[in-house]
Amino acid sequence: ETGVTQTPRHLVMGMTNKKSLKCEQHLGHNAMYWYKQSAKKPLELMFVYSLEERVENNSVPSRFSPECPNSSHLFLHLHTLQPEDSALYLCASSQGTSGANFREQYFGPGTRLTVT
Amino acid sequence: AQTVTQSQPEMSVQEAETVTLSCTYDTSESNYYLFWYKQPPSRQMILVIRQEAYKQQNATENRFSVNFQKAAKSFSLKISDSQLGDTAMYFCAFDSGYALNFGKGTSLLVTP
Repeated sequence: ETGVTQTPRHLVMGMTNKKSLKCEQHLGHNAMYWYKQSAKKPLELMFVYSLEERVENNSVPSRFSPECPNSSHLFLHLHTLQPEDSALYLCASSQGTSGANFREQYFGPGTRLTVT
Repeated sequence: AQTVTQSQPEMSVQEAETVTLSCTYDTSESNYYLFWYKQPPSRQMILVIRQEAYKQQNATENRFSVNFQKAAKSFSLKISDSQLGDTAMYFCAFDSGYALNFGKGTSLLVTP
């Protein structure tokens, strides 16, 4: 266990559904991240939050909407997804966003998303 | 853009043997950090080892060590005395800014 939890662990949704992924970190960190992990591709950074402010949005389609209500929680709201959005979505946290001690990231177990 | 290349999609090693996973990266930065992460099957990704570019000494963590060649932009991971529990995907990652850039990963299988 890394101190980062994600729910649900598995999600199957239709293209017209709306669902949310949740991430919680118990490490007292100030930065949180969403990554997308697809087969045969590098991890893709989606969003970065530092002290609850979004600091990076990596050209992610608007059907993915992040929310960071506080430094311990991060959500990814999903709506009208496409089959190609099926992937493992990983949440991570770090102490901050600069320097190795701060950038060392702790990952959650991921949510396996299947869009039908 | 910084890119990270792991040229070995899959590797296999026998228990107790030594294996080296390769990683190269491309950057114009002079100060940065490099990491190796391990993702066991159906388990969380965890940090294995990290290296700071300004440090000449190669990092070591128990059975894991790196060969960092800054001029060649190479950052390989050596696993000594391989154990069955080392079976996992291994990702090399580069960091010089807000987030990490990952390679595609190397799937390592340790066999009895």
